[in-house]
Amino acid sequence: DQQVKQNSPSLSVQEGRISILNCDYTNSMFDYFLWYKKYPAEGPTFLISISSIKDKNEDGRFTVFLNKSAKHLSLHIVPSQPGDSAVYFCAASVSGSARQLTFGSGTQLTVLP
Amino acid sequence: EAGVAQSPRYKIIEKRQSVAFWCNPISGHATLYWYQQILGQGPKLLIQFQNNGVVDDSQLPKDRFSAERLKGVDSTLKIQPAKLEDSAVYLCASSPDSYTQYFGPGTRLTVL
Repeated sequence: DQQVKQNSPSLSVQEGRISILNCDYTNSMFDYFLWYKKYPAEGPTFLISISSIKDKNEDGRFTVFLNKSAKHLSLHIVPSQPGDSAVYFCAASVSGSARQLTFGSGTQLTVLP
Repeated sequence: EAGVAQSPRYKIIEKRQSVAFWCNPISGHATLYWYQQILGQGPKLLIQFQNNGVVDDSQLPKDRFSAERLKGVDSTLKIQPAKLEDSAVYLCASSPDSYTQYFGPGTRLTVL
């Protein structure tokens, strides 16, 4: 049972345009969400996070939106740059002492020059 | 600040052999995680440590996998004996607060 789903395995965007990566979840107990970026042969790098008490969090070119009623979050990258080409994973966790991350399967973003 | 260190970066073994991976977390991070990432999938948690105690190892195949965290700092993950389906990237992560996890570069294991 996949509790976190990224339904688009790949996305191509022109440099300078907006990239929108989507993620859906099924577990209503998730209360903290994160996005990670992964380059080949490297580990995932933390990008941005959002708590369920918020619906938006912004950090430079990256903005994460959370729609709790739809159990949906998205990552917006504006403007997209060729260096943003990577696999993006969304992850979610439930409050408690363990707070383990459940990951989606990832979306390969390619930013075309 | 130094990141999470892992070694080796790559390992090729034959099935039924043993293998061990090492992880050194970010200094001061009490929580340490081991994940298995199979190609095309997201990382899947194997075991979580808080200091040198196990918080959750429910996803660890204990008949062949074992892990320990020495003195609440470094950790090793061992597979004995390895199977073909263990081919994956093994990621170590650490966290100062359990909210955000910081990952190492991973060890790519190929079992032939």
